Amino acid sequence: DSGVTQTPKHLITATGQRVTLRCSPRSGDLSVYWYQQSLDQGLQFLIQYYNGEERAKGNILERFSAQQFPDLHSELNLSSLELGDSALYFCASSSGGAISGNTIYFGEGSWLTVV
Amino acid sequence: ILNVEQSPQSLHVQEGDSTNFTCSFPSSNFYALHWYRWETAKSPEALFVMTLNGDEKKKGRISATLNTKEGYSYLYIKGSQPEDSATYLCASWNYGGSQGNLIFGKGTKLSVKP
Repeated sequence: DSGVTQTPKHLITATGQRVTLRCSPRSGDLSVYWYQQSLDQGLQFLIQYYNGEERAKGNILERFSAQQFPDLHSELNLSSLELGDSALYFCASSSGGAISGNTIYFGEGSWLTVV
Repeated sequence: ILNVEQSPQSLHVQEGDSTNFTCSFPSSNFYALHWYRWETAKSPEALFVMTLNGDEKKKGRISATLNTKEGYSYLYIKGSQPEDSATYLCASWNYGGSQGNLIFGKGTKLSVKP
């Protein structure tokens, strides 16, 4: 158990809908990262937050947004969903900020299926 | 575009064999190299984080080396066991553009036959 908690574990929704994925980081970790794992793709970095502020941005679509709340949990909002958004979405956390040698701990992921 | 490449894509070995695989990463603006072990239906498990050129880390039968000047890292598994079967991911933290992020390779899938 990494200590990173993600909900829901599985989600099936229709195209055009909007979903919210939730992540609770490890106790004490200030950084939260979101990654997308699609078929035949490596883990694609979406976005990082550090202590409530956006710190780094990767290949995140405009239809997607995220935020980190004062209690450090984070939400990834996916809207106007398309079939191609079906993927495993990972949240990860670390104690450090952007560039560091800190270990990054992953949750078990949220499986999103868009039908 | 910063790419992290891993080879081979997959590997099948017999129990007891020692094996190694490679991770190539951009050497410019390099900060850290991460190795993860990922079993199906589980979260990726952190193995090592390495930052210094020439760094070598060990965890049981698994070890890793780092060459930041040429941009590669090796992961070694000594005396592979069936429970070592997993996908091994490496990720490089490079400073790209105005912000940095951790970029993952596609992994090496290891299967160890009893």
